Amino acid sequence: NAGVTQTPKFQVLKTGQSMTLQCAQDMNHEYMSWYRQDPGMGLRLIHYSVGAGITDQGEVPNGYNVSRSTTEDFPLRLLSAAPSQTSVYFCASSYILSGTQYFGPGTRLLVL
Amino acid sequence: KQEVTQIPAALSVPEGENLVLNCSFTDSAIYNLQWFRQDPGKGLTSLLLIQSSQREQTSGRLNASLDKSSGRSTLYIAASQPGDSATYLCASANTGNQFYFGTGTSLTVIP
Repeated sequence: NAGVTQTPKFQVLKTGQSMTLQCAQDMNHEYMSWYRQDPGMGLRLIHYSVGAGITDQGEVPNGYNVSRSTTEDFPLRLLSAAPSQTSVYFCASSYILSGTQYFGPGTRLLVL
Repeated sequence: KQEVTQIPAALSVPEGENLVLNCSFTDSAIYNLQWFRQDPGKGLTSLLLIQSSQREQTSGRLNASLDKSSGRSTLYIAASQPGDSATYLCASANTGNQFYFGTGTSLTVIP
């Protein structure tokens, strides 16, 4: 099993550009989520999904969109990048909400 | 909204010492409490998961306890080693399908 994979590993964007961060898992997990990690702020939940076709907002959803068309994939879209979105983004999955969470290696995003 | 706090923010100990990391949370209506390890520039690795009905979990030199009534969890590391140097984070799974993380404790084990 590859576990949770994320692409790209690093990305530089200009303000106003859009992009999609990819996340995939091969463990047949129903619950998937996106976090951002900023110094001194810990990890904050952006969006999550409890299954294909079902998504919901987390703590900091503004400026981000998600969709879940398959169990395996959960992409995160930045609609119009802003410098405040410079961060490290992590995708995670678990079989159920109360199960062990598995994290991807992260995507470092720099918005100029 | 759940607030998760970890104290201290940083800890430095000599090799071989036993140590305790603390995690406190404000809302006791949790599904579980999970401890993670994060190495610099890497993702998070799950160490221990304690369900809300459990009091503790053990894995090797690690032992995690949970006291929902007081809103506290501790991670005990026995006989620390330089390879244990990392940031340790705790997270609670709460109603509403949301996870809340602490800001972590950065541990340095000195050879």
